[in-house]
Amino acid sequence: QVQLQESGPGLVKPSGTLSLTCAVGGGSITTSDWWSWVRQSPGKGLEWIGEIYHSGSTNYNPSLKSRVTISVDKSKNQFSLKLRSVTAADTAVYYCARDTSATFSNEYNWFDPWGQGTLVTVSS
Amino acid sequence: DIQMTQSPLFLSASVGDSVTITCRASQSISSYLNWYQQKPGKAPNLLIYAASSLQSGVPSRFSGSGSGTDFTLTISSLHPEDFATYYCQQSYNRPPYTFGQGTKLELK
Repeated sequence: QVQLQESGPGLVKPSGTLSLTCAVGGGSITTSDWWSWVRQSPGKGLEWIGEIYHSGSTNYNPSLKSRVTISVDKSKNQFSLKLRSVTAADTAVYYCARDTSATFSNEYNWFDPWGQGTLVTVSS
Repeated sequence: DIQMTQSPLFLSASVGDSVTITCRASQSISSYLNWYQQKPGKAPNLLIYAASSLQSGVPSRFSGSGSGTDFTLTISSLHPEDFATYYCQQSYNRPPYTFGQGTKLELK
């Protein structure tokens, strides 16, 4: 059973870079799944940041694309998020999640499982 | 981007009640719609995928329906552990995947 665990600094200074890692346990990152980052600002809803395939292919939310890089380290079975030029608006709980799929008549995708989430606060 | 609009945003109900949450997409998304439950301080948990397929381990009192632009999540006979926030999410078109604003189900 795949389990995900986020790690990284809980406090980042304004204009700095937010860096998080998601360790994938109980399974390989080199399956046919994609691997996503999702964030949730305090008291707010969910925002998809982007995702990566084990080949290194990525998809990003256009609203964040200019500041985001997601990378994969197959040797460590983990993937990472970097968000540059952060402001207080980037304060959120950051989740990693597996974007898995199945084919019925068409291919459907969903997020399962999720990591427990890590709170990142942007403050001086 | 495909906008997802949930209603109501807040819902009060009692244990044993049946409730329905609605999710509307800004364009047709066929059956590419997922539902998640989130409890305070926890990550979202998948309930329903592909509009109506129940995730393994999820109680059968949860059901999903709809296609195109209009979808519903129904919880029949509410249990105490069902009081949480529920989100819909479209997987028709990425980037980006998008979520609804969430519906908070509270105990009356």
